[in-house]
Amino acid sequence: AQSVTQLGSHVSVSEGALVLLRCNYSSSVPPYLFWYVQYPNQGLQLLLKYTTGATLVKGINGFEAEFKKSETSFHLTKPSAHMSDAAEYFCAVSDFGNEKLTFGTGTRLTIIP
Amino acid sequence: GAVVSQHPSWVICKSGTSVKIECRSLDFQATTMFWYRQFPKQSLMLMATSNEGSKATYEQGVEKDKFLINHASLTLSTLTVTSAHPEDSSFYICSASYSAIGDYEQYFGPGTRLTVT
Repeated sequence: AQSVTQLGSHVSVSEGALVLLRCNYSSSVPPYLFWYVQYPNQGLQLLLKYTTGATLVKGINGFEAEFKKSETSFHLTKPSAHMSDAAEYFCAVSDFGNEKLTFGTGTRLTIIP
Repeated sequence: GAVVSQHPSWVICKSGTSVKIECRSLDFQATTMFWYRQFPKQSLMLMATSNEGSKATYEQGVEKDKFLINHASLTLSTLTVTSAHPEDSSFYICSASYSAIGDYEQYFGPGTRLTVT
């Protein structure tokens, strides 16, 4: 079965600093990979996804993630944090041909003014 | 595009009663809909997957008779929590996808907060 590990349940960064949220997956074949953001009392919004092709994926709100097969990682980054980035971030994975998503435990991002 | 709505956004019900939550895809036909449960400050747990016109597939440990899922059309799925108890209080989120074009992206609704008193 697929599993997703998000290192760090809480991450705090200063406004303007680099954001790095870590995600590792376990899979014998390259899966589909997703990052979602959740604001309080709301559903999930897709930030970006990797299915095939270019391993560096750009998403909304200035976020990007790089699929590294050798490291089984899909870390999320943003060069300069903004106060509005404060939210819960979830990494998710699905197998090719299977719509079912497996979510990581989430990382709460706090932005320090 | 790809908007999913849920109704109600929050509901309070008494223990022993049933409550129905609707999930609608507003601008696309959803071949598959998913129901998740999220406890405070925790991740999403998949409860069941439903396809229009067929029975839902429940995840291990989810009570089928307690959480009734109906996917009557390509734009509507409902989750009914029967004989609700305080431990059923949670945030319920649905998502919808249309995989006909090979895009396995799920579009999420805004969630429904259920409180059972």
